[in-house]
Parts: sequence; C-alpha cells; structure tokens
Amino acid sequence: QTVVTQESSFSVSPGGTVTLTCGLNSGSVSATYYPSWYQQTPGQPPRTLIYNTNARSSGVPDRFSGSILGNKAALTITGAQADDESDYYCVLYMASGIYVFGTGTKVTVL
Amino acid sequence: QVQMQESGPGLVKPSETLSLTCTVSGGSISNYFWSWIRQPPGKGLEWIGYIYYSGSTNYNPSLKSRVTMSVDASKNQFSLRLTSMTAADTAVYYCARYGYYHFDMWGQGTMVTVSS
Repeated sequence: QTVVTQESSFSVSPGGTVTLTCGLNSGSVSATYYPSWYQQTPGQPPRTLIYNTNARSSGVPDRFSGSILGNKAALTITGAQADDESDYYCVLYMASGIYVFGTGTKVTVL
Repeated sequence: QVQMQESGPGLVKPSETLSLTCTVSGGSISNYFWSWIRQPPGKGLEWIGYIYYSGSTNYNPSLKSRVTMSVDASKNQFSLRLTSMTAADTAVYYCARYGYYHFDMWGQGTMVTVSS
C-alpha cells in the first residue's frame, strides 16, 4: 500500500524559513508524480498553494515555493507569517491514475 | 467565479447508502474533471475519486467497491453514492474541481455522520 509521508509538525519563528517534505514509503518522489500542496485552517476547506511541483496557484504569495529535494517533494515557506499557521497536505499522482494525500504537517508560527 | 456547494443528509444510518450532490455555479461543469475528497474528524484528507463531465470515472481502490459517481450536466451537478456506510465513513465530504493534476477549487464541505 502506498503511503505518502509528511512530518507531523514543525515550528517556525515569524520571519523564518521552514521546508516541509513529502515522501513515499517505497521509492522516490519526482516531478512525474505532479506533487501539489494545500493549506488548511480549522473548519475551512483546503486552499491550493502549489501544483505541478512548483507552480504557484493564483493569489498565493511568493513566500510559498515548491521543489524536489533529493527524493522528496518539498514546500518552503520563506518569511513565515502568523497566518501561515495551518495544516499542510501534499498530494501525489500515481501512475495508476489515482491520487494519494500525504499525512499532513501542522505548522506552528511562534 | 466558480463556486461549488455540497448537499445531502448530515446523518446516515449504518449499512445505508450515502448520496451527496455538488452543485457548480458561476461556470460550466463541461470540460472539467470533478472530484470527491473526505476528511474524518481530526484526521487527514482522503481522495475518493473523480468523474469527467462526460461520465468517465476513476476511484480510490480502497473504496472502489462501494463508490459510484455520476454527473448531470443539464443541472451543472455531479454526485457521489457510497454504499454500506459505517462509522469509519464519518467525515467532512468535499467536492473539488480537478485541474492539471491538482484540485484547484473546493466546496465548503458537508459533515456526514454515520450513527443509528
């Protein structure tokens, strides 16, 4: 069974930089998995941040960036702000045509 | 501005079938893929499947035996049917538009509780 792994939590200082990762329990993540990233605050639907590894969704600040780092997809927040405190999910597209969400990372800004 | 709104029962009895509808406004349902995603309370997101406006589908293998999606282009709606509901299916159910290998627009979600 495919498991997409993310760090459970991260803490970052205001103005600081944090990099979240998205990996596979078996194998490496590459651009062919079309990684996308979503931000979710309590009681709200997810908001699309990044798609196709590093394309920023409309209206998303450029402090959010996506990349492939080693064998994982990555989301970097540069210059973190208080309202970046959220849960972050990655999604990978599998060759079978299905999508698998990551386990999610809770980011605290303090 | 395209908007999506889920509708359906908030409470379903165990073993019964859930039926949800997503109404798309501000744009046409044509030429897009549409998806259902769910989130159990306090847990992560799970992709249920997607349907193209023409009716072709792809489902999460873990739910495939219980899931049916359909589309009604004349009403700009698409629907989810999930059979044999159990407590494990209690979740917020989101409809979403599926763009270039990602979910680019989301409904607000509807909470479905499975309980007798």
